[in-house]
Amino acid sequence: AQKVTQAQTEISVVEKEDVTLDCVYETRDTTYYLFWYKQPPSGELVFLIRRNSFDEQNEISGRYSWNFQKSTSSFNFTITASQVVDSAVYFCALSDLRQAAGNKLTFGGGTRVLVKP
Amino acid sequence: DVKVTQSSRYLVKRTGEKVFLECVQDMDHENMFWYRQDPGLGLRLIYFSYDVKMKEKGDIPEGYSVSREKKERFSLILESASTNQTSMYLCASSPSNRDRGPETQYFGPGTRLTVL
Repeated sequence: AQKVTQAQTEISVVEKEDVTLDCVYETRDTTYYLFWYKQPPSGELVFLIRRNSFDEQNEISGRYSWNFQKSTSSFNFTITASQVVDSAVYFCALSDLRQAAGNKLTFGGGTRVLVKP
Repeated sequence: DVKVTQSSRYLVKRTGEKVFLECVQDMDHENMFWYRQDPGLGLRLIYFSYDVKMKEKGDIPEGYSVSREKKERFSLILESASTNQTSMYLCASSPSNRDRGPETQYFGPGTRLTVL
């Protein structure tokens, strides 16, 4: 069975500090996809990144960066120079390609990030 | 922009009532999903649909049913609401493109349901 673990339930930082969110996954698939979503207080999940298992290059998008380590089954997310607007719940998710539609996601429990001014 | 709308942001119902949660997407997506979100448990898939009139059980389908009569609309039904179904319900949609792997899911704003 697939599983996604986000061990940190809540992280509190002061503005401009860096914050790293951990994501560890378990799957028997050799091909899979990983996602990160942000859920601000408004409630709607916002897509951040989609990464397939063959692409182990780290990615940077503005203040966001992702570190994919297949050897340790981890897909960690770092926010550099955090801002108050980064306060949200962040979810890591793993795709399940065995379903006919190939689109089912397994989500981690989420990490709440609180950025204080 | 993809838009996924849900019929209510907040809903209060009584135990035993039949509850309908509606979700509409405007991007002609084949796939639609219903999740519930509970603290510490993340999102758990209730049901999903990959075509009109097609549905598949997710991880926690008990106590729920779904209906997809039109491509843009996916309804979640609580036949007899119970207090343990108090939760945030999120709808999502995505295009279907198996050649490129799973596509990004786009989420609605959620419905916070309280069952008294």
